[in-house]
Amino acid sequence: GEDVEQSLFLSVREGDSSVINCTYTDSSSTYLYWYKQEPGAGLQLLTYIFSNMDMKQDQRLTVLLNKKDKHLSLRIADTQTGDSAIYFCAERMNYGGSQGNLIFGKGTKLSVKP
Amino acid sequence: DSGVTQTPKHLITATGQRVTLRCSPRSGDLSVYWYQQSLDQGLQFLIQYYNGEERAKGNILERFSAQQFPDLHSELNLSSLELGDSALYFCASSPGDGDTQYFGPGTRLTVL
Repeated sequence: GEDVEQSLFLSVREGDSSVINCTYTDSSSTYLYWYKQEPGAGLQLLTYIFSNMDMKQDQRLTVLLNKKDKHLSLRIADTQTGDSAIYFCAERMNYGGSQGNLIFGKGTKLSVKP
Repeated sequence: DSGVTQTPKHLITATGQRVTLRCSPRSGDLSVYWYQQSLDQGLQFLIQYYNGEERAKGNILERFSAQQFPDLHSELNLSSLELGDSALYFCASSPGDGDTQYFGPGTRLTVL
């Protein structure tokens, strides 16, 4: 079945780069997303990548997609304490006639130490 | 701020009761999605409406139902509540069917 896997925790020092990894199962996924959730808050869309792309850069964020291995990563350059949050990887599935339901990973909790 | 609003922010109720959660999508968005976030199950898709019609169902219990009204706001009804229904319920919206989804702040439901 559909499954998205992420490591649960990542700890980095302020100023370092963070790399959050994700693997997904459905090769027919068209879009892959990264969302950020701060404590007590909703899900904030960070970035997304279309499945025919290998890389997308958006300011401090770089998304890499390896379709062969079904592996997605999010790199945050110059990580700041404000980046501390839970990061969710999600794949868009064609499901039951709909074009766009999301299957989420369990989330990676990023802790940034000063 | 995503532009998606949800009310109430918090809800505390007892087992066996019924509650209604409300969602207003971003202006112009036709699709509304409901998700449940719990510690053990993570984020799970419940149901999607597109322009008033049910579009897809996920892991939604029979005790739960939803609808989307002509003004495009949506309500999620949860009945015969159990302790295990305690969770964060998120609504998301997108312009069409399958576009990028923008999430609301969620409703935290506590069933005592």
